[in-house]
Amino acid sequence: EIVLTQSPGTLSLSPGERATLSCRASQSLTNTYIAWYQQKPGQSPRLLIYGESSRATGIPDRFSGSGSGTDFTLTITRLEPEDFAVYYCQQYDTSPWTFGQGTKVEIK
Amino acid sequence: QVQLQESGPGLVKPSQTLSLTCSVSGGYITTGGYYWSWIRQYPGKGLEWIGHIYYSGSTFYNPSLESRVTISVDTSQNQFSLNLTSMTAADTAIYYCTRVRVRRVIIFDYWGQGTPVTVSS
Repeated sequence: EIVLTQSPGTLSLSPGERATLSCRASQSLTNTYIAWYQQKPGQSPRLLIYGESSRATGIPDRFSGSGSGTDFTLTITRLEPEDFAVYYCQQYDTSPWTFGQGTKVEIK
Repeated sequence: QVQLQESGPGLVKPSQTLSLTCSVSGGYITTGGYYWSWIRQYPGKGLEWIGHIYYSGSTFYNPSLESRVTISVDTSQNQFSLNLTSMTAADTAIYYCTRVRVRRVIIFDYWGQGTPVTVSS
């Protein structure tokens, strides 16, 4: 199965700063078959981004995705207070569909 | 807006079978282009896809769990269910039901609130 490794484990930033989260796949993905989810404490994961950089319904444009092959990035251009959460990547290139272990974005 | 709600026991004894049901509202489980899935999240926060089902009954399972998993659908009740046999402490997790968008993607676009399951005698 494809293993996704996210880095860093924790990102300490201030509101207004730019966040760059990495997701590395153990083998090259055929296309940009990556999705990103946000999870806040006590809540279910929420779909943010999928594919080359399609945003799910209601997701603001400060969230964007990029990458190809084995290296993918989620960028949050200017962090809002509600963006501090854990973020997971998920691949849908090869079954079984797998998730990264998560990156926590915390307030510095 | 589609809503999903899990139901089932929060405590299961080792070796027993876990049975969970997901009730779907705000949309029909027979809507084309969507599968219906179970995902679990371990206490350390890792997420694992268990499997999914189409309203026709076609199923796809994670090979790591395939020997113990059955997912079924009841279109008359707009529900789908998970059975996981031979439970051990390693199966302790929060279990989520989700909708899966499958047209050119395989992404989990709506999630239930999750139901915690503990395996303990």
